Amino acid sequence: GAGVSQSPSNKVTEKGKDVELRCDPISGHTALYWYRQSLGQGLEFLIYFQGNSAPDKSGLPSDRFSAERTGGSVSTLTIQRTQQEDSAVYLCASSSDRDKSQHFGDGTRLSIL
Amino acid sequence: AQTVTQSQPEMSVQEAETVTLSCTYDTSENNYYLFWYKQPPSRQMILVIRQEAYKQQNATENRFSVNFQKAAKSFSLKISDSQLGDTAMYFCAFMNGMNRDDKIIFGKGTRLHILP
Repeated sequence: GAGVSQSPSNKVTEKGKDVELRCDPISGHTALYWYRQSLGQGLEFLIYFQGNSAPDKSGLPSDRFSAERTGGSVSTLTIQRTQQEDSAVYLCASSSDRDKSQHFGDGTRLSIL
Repeated sequence: AQTVTQSQPEMSVQEAETVTLSCTYDTSENNYYLFWYKQPPSRQMILVIRQEAYKQQNATENRFSVNFQKAAKSFSLKISDSQLGDTAMYFCAFMNGMNRDDKIIFGKGTRLHILP
């Protein structure tokens, strides 16, 4: 079956612009996660959705970052008024209740000029 | 709070050798999951192996096996007969098994180079 799909693969934008990153989880997976990975670094947790529960937003670095998950499936991560320090790879992952292993998408490489 | 520590930032071994990557974690929980993920230069995160804490038997997936020492809170990854394609960043990760609303905590990673 299809894995986690993220779009776009790469995004280059000017400082101050807003960007939207999309994640299509594996069908039937109830949990969805967003991570940020700066060059050569580990994964930084951003936000976590589980079913219909309120999302865990504890990792969002500022109020410029937000995310939503519509219909318990597709998720969009929005970064407003982008800054150069937002440049990173943004990874999405999903998991099922039965198997807690997270399955990752290929990520979106975001470059802020 | 749970933490995951990978004490080896970078390692290099010759092809066909066996290599062990270290991982320790800190938790007060009794039920949890542990994972090793591989991230090659293509940047996709790939699940290598997983271990449920309640299982005493060490997980094995082909050339990859773990040494799970629950009392010592250690979860090392052994790669046997290493191949050039094993070159990647390896991340150890922990998930609380009791709380469905919890998230995975990753270590900072070990960069592994397999040399020809």
